[in-house]
Amino acid sequence: GENVEQHPSTLSVQEGDSAVIKCTYSDSASNYFPWYKQELGKRPQLIIDIRSNVGEKKDQRIAVTLNKTAKHFSLHITETQPEDSAVYFCAASPGLTFGNEKLTFGTGTRLTIIP
Amino acid sequence: DSGVTQTPKHLITATGQRVTLRCSPRSGDLSVYWYQQSLDQGLQFLIQYYNGEERAKGNILERFSAQQFPDLHSELNLSSLELGDSALYFCASSYPGGADTQYFGPGTRLTVL
Repeated sequence: GENVEQHPSTLSVQEGDSAVIKCTYSDSASNYFPWYKQELGKRPQLIIDIRSNVGEKKDQRIAVTLNKTAKHFSLHITETQPEDSAVYFCAASPGLTFGNEKLTFGTGTRLTIIP
Repeated sequence: DSGVTQTPKHLITATGQRVTLRCSPRSGDLSVYWYQQSLDQGLQFLIQYYNGEERAKGNILERFSAQQFPDLHSELNLSSLELGDSALYFCASSYPGGADTQYFGPGTRLTVL
């Protein structure tokens, strides 16, 4: 089955600087790669996602890049703010294969923004 | 608010007991997924239902079972509970056919004493 590795497990960044979180996956059939932000005790909240036919996607301060050949994808947060502090999870899924859309999650990155 | 609802928010019970967690998907979503989040195991996929039928199974214990009803709400039944079953249980829903995006409910925190 799919295996997703995520690094680093913790990341501290000065407010205003950029943060980068990296994930690798094992199953070449994976086609859908979402990123979730989770605050303590709360639900995972989708912040951005990318599909295999796209190499990069950006939404304001957040961007995701995908390298299908190398089987890795990354989350980039620019101009970080204190409210960006949370745990971030990457995930992979067969996606477009109807009826098999389960998400395999990475182990999470605890991001702390230092004011 | 994702539009996915889960009840109850918290559940405290004893070992050996049985509990039922309930999930209502977003309006129009046909797929429901259950995930377990514990400190040592992270977010783990348990099971997926699509329009009343089981579609995919993950690391779900035999003591656990789920179903999706005609009105599309889903229930996760956990029996013979053990201390290690203490976790956050999330359900998520999505609209099938290529949308993929899964929206998570607020979760049920289960504590087994």
